[in-house]
Amino acid sequence: EPEVTQTPSHQVTQMGQEVILRCVPISNHLYFYWYRQILGQKVEFLVSFYNNEISEKSEIFDDQFSVERPDGSNFTLKIRSTKLEDSAMYFCASGLDTDTQYFGPGTRLTVL
Amino acid sequence: AQKITQTQPGMFVQEKEAVTLDCTYDTSDQSYGLFWYKQPSSGEMIFLIYQGSYDEQNATEGRYSLNFQKARKSANLVISASQLGDSAMYFCAMRPMFSGGYNKLIFGAGTRLAVHP
Repeated sequence: EPEVTQTPSHQVTQMGQEVILRCVPISNHLYFYWYRQILGQKVEFLVSFYNNEISEKSEIFDDQFSVERPDGSNFTLKIRSTKLEDSAMYFCASGLDTDTQYFGPGTRLTVL
Repeated sequence: AQKITQTQPGMFVQEKEAVTLDCTYDTSDQSYGLFWYKQPSSGEMIFLIYQGSYDEQNATEGRYSLNFQKARKSANLVISASQLGDSAMYFCAMRPMFSGGYNKLIFGAGTRLAVHP
């Protein structure tokens, strides 16, 4: 069964460094998302991406964040200058339509 | 305001029994979608079931069913014949169709379910 994959599973970085989180959505899906979950808290929406552009973003998704779909299969989230409060589990999700969102296993980001 | 409320921080159930996890939602949209996800201790988010606000029938997927009561704005998840592997965190989520965007999911705080042998 096809699934969303994410790499790395765990990333440790120093405050102020740039990180890129990678996702490979399910191949025929058209809608792509990033969410994050700070430890012990709710899952929060960051951004959605459709037709090669951002379709929606939350107030969390400020200028430090960017997304790309560089080659038609990968979907990346870049955090330009990480802060301590960016430490969280980051989930990529994809959907064939807007009624489904299948999540990847997540990348745990730890900012020191 | 768009909001999901899960009032049960923790639940337990005996193996093979049925359990209902509560979810209420708040939205002014006439059209929306409701989702349930399972998060085991390993951390991944597993999609369980979806209900559209205009769907006449309650959604079912194997042992999972969604008890959708539109007038009460509730979308409770029913797990029949619980198994030890059902022990996990369960999240209810809503996708509003118009206000606040039509792609994002708004999640509740979750309910931790423990299945006892």
